[in-house]
Amino acid sequence: DAGVIQSPRHEVTEMGQEVTLRCKPISGHDYLFWYRQTMMRGLELLIYFNNNVPIDDSGMPEDRFSAKMPNASFSTLKIQPSEPRDSAVYFCASSLYSPRDTQYFGPGTRLTVL
Amino acid sequence: AQSVTQLDSQVPVFEEAPVELRCNYSSSVSVYLFWYVQYPNQGLQLLLKYLSGSTLVKGINGFEAEFNKSQTSFHLRKPSVHISDTAEYFCAVSDFDGGSQGNLIFGKGTKLSVKP
Repeated sequence: DAGVIQSPRHEVTEMGQEVTLRCKPISGHDYLFWYRQTMMRGLELLIYFNNNVPIDDSGMPEDRFSAKMPNASFSTLKIQPSEPRDSAVYFCASSLYSPRDTQYFGPGTRLTVL
Repeated sequence: AQSVTQLDSQVPVFEEAPVELRCNYSSSVSVYLFWYVQYPNQGLQLLLKYLSGSTLVKGINGFEAEFNKSQTSFHLRKPSVHISDTAEYFCAVSDFDGGSQGNLIFGKGTKLSVKP
């Protein structure tokens, strides 16, 4: 398997623009997670899905953030409008049957909002 | 609610020396514990985990960790480090709670820097 795939790897945008991050989990995994990593706050769980259904979105910072999982092989994280404080590395991860199973992380998307 | 404290943000060490990265957790219920490693410009990968059984857990790359319930700790150790162990290490906890799906709470990470 190719592992968790994320695109783009790098994104530079201007404040106010819409940003869409994409993730393809490992085939057969039931869980998908979106994390954000910054120097100040470390690694934060934003939202996670079980069988395409959002389970816990309490980590989503505000209404500007939204995530969808239309099918088992694809998820998006959207920020609209983007702000400089959204600059971070965003990771997608997937696990087989439970969050406690090994979580396999993608390479991340480094987002810079100018 | 559970929480994780990694006591050292940075640990410099010379090659072939032993190292211990400290992790303490807070939880009112039984827990599962994890160590993940992040190499530069990569995502995290699992190093080892404690779910039950023996409190000494062995992981990849010669790392091991010991679960100490009375001290609520899960310190990571390696007897002899290599340059290639330079990375950031994250401790994580998950509650054993029948009502929860058990998502992980990560610590802020410890940057291990191995010098020749």
